[in-house]
Amino acid sequence: GENVEQHPSTLSVQEGDSAVIKCTYSDSASNYFPWYKQELGKRPQLIIDIRSNVGEKKDQRIAVTLNKTAKHFSLHITETQPEDSAVYFCAANNNNDMRFGAGTRLTVKP
Amino acid sequence: GAVVSQHPSRVICKSGTSVKIECRSLDFQATTMFWYRQFPKQSLMLMATSNEGSKATYEQGVEKDKFLINHASLTLSTLTVTSAHPEDSSFYICSASRQGRGEQYFGPGTRLTVT
Repeated sequence: GENVEQHPSTLSVQEGDSAVIKCTYSDSASNYFPWYKQELGKRPQLIIDIRSNVGEKKDQRIAVTLNKTAKHFSLHITETQPEDSAVYFCAANNNNDMRFGAGTRLTVKP
Repeated sequence: GAVVSQHPSRVICKSGTSVKIECRSLDFQATTMFWYRQFPKQSLMLMATSNEGSKATYEQGVEKDKFLINHASLTLSTLTVTSAHPEDSSFYICSASRQGRGEQYFGPGTRLTVT
């Protein structure tokens, strides 16, 4: 089955700096890669996603890149703000079988 | 669009009792619903996948007789934790997806505490 690894587990940045979170997956058949933001006690919120036919996608301060050959994908947040502080999960999906990474706790210091 | 509700948001029950959690897709038909469990500071662990009108598929290590899942309609799935024990205390989150789409839309979660 699919195995998703996520790094780092914790990340602390200064407000305004960039943050990068990286994930690798094992199943080459996975074709959909969403990123979720989860605040304490709340539901995961989809912030951006990418499909396997695309290498990069951007939405304002958030971007995701995908390298299918290497089976890794990354989340990039630029100009970080304190409200970006949360736990971020990557996931890899193959035909409704979605597996999550272990999560990255991002702290943005004002 | 793509709103998923979950009820109750919090429940406290005594050891040995059963608890039912409902998951509803409010504005779309969910061909598939998923149930996850999340322990503090951990990731979401898939418990089972259910398709409307058919039996749920449980992940390895998840007892199907303990965690009963029913997906009776395209907008409702229920999870019943039977004979709950303190170790079942966790945050249970459902999600729903449309046919042919990979996106999953999450419910707000249910915090279960078994005393």
